[in-house]
Amino acid sequence: AQSVTQLDSQVPVFEEAPVELRCNYSSSVSVYLFWYVQYPNQGLQLLLKYLSGSTLVESINGFEAEFNKSQTSFHLRKPSVHISDTAEYFCAVSAGVAGGTSYGKLTFGQGTILTVHP
Amino acid sequence: DGGITQSPKYLFRKEGQNVTLSCEQNLNHDAMYWYRQDPGQGLRLIYYSQIVNDFQKGDIAEGYSVSREKKESFPLTVTSAQKNPTAFYLCASSPGTSGITGELFFGEGSRLTVL
Repeated sequence: AQSVTQLDSQVPVFEEAPVELRCNYSSSVSVYLFWYVQYPNQGLQLLLKYLSGSTLVESINGFEAEFNKSQTSFHLRKPSVHISDTAEYFCAVSAGVAGGTSYGKLTFGQGTILTVHP
Repeated sequence: DGGITQSPKYLFRKEGQNVTLSCEQNLNHDAMYWYRQDPGQGLRLIYYSQIVNDFQKGDIAEGYSVSREKKESFPLTVTSAQKNPTAFYLCASSPGTSGITGELFFGEGSRLTVL
């Protein structure tokens, strides 16, 4: 079975400061990794994903995450945050086994609330 | 535009009443899911369906029921047996066998409050 741990439930930061949201996972098979963002009273939107290839993946709004297999981590970073980045962020993992019973059943972390202060 | 539509967005219910949350998708996705979200607990899977007329229980199915009579629709009924139904409910879909990554596409959510 797979599991996801987001190490920080809340991260306060000032505008234009860098931020890192930490995510560790455990799985006995290869994985696909995702970060989703949720704004208040809205659904989740995909921010970025790692499927294969380069271990560094980027989003269109300046976030990046690096897949580290040896440390089983997929931390999310942004060098300079904006007020509009205030949201809850979820790390998620799915087992990368085609046709497996766990297919499509993403396992989510508990979420990290990022609050950007002016 | 393709997407997932959940309704209603806000719903109030008296104790002892059943309520049905609607979820419709026009993405032509095979698989659909219902999650429950509570503060500090992340997302918990209630039910999922990978094909029409078939569905499986997730981690917290007790007190809930679903149907999948059409590919586009996956309604969730919160029954009076659900002891703590106040929560934010999220519907999601994925391409199914044509996409094996597990990536989910979410609706905007329905917030249920039991009075």
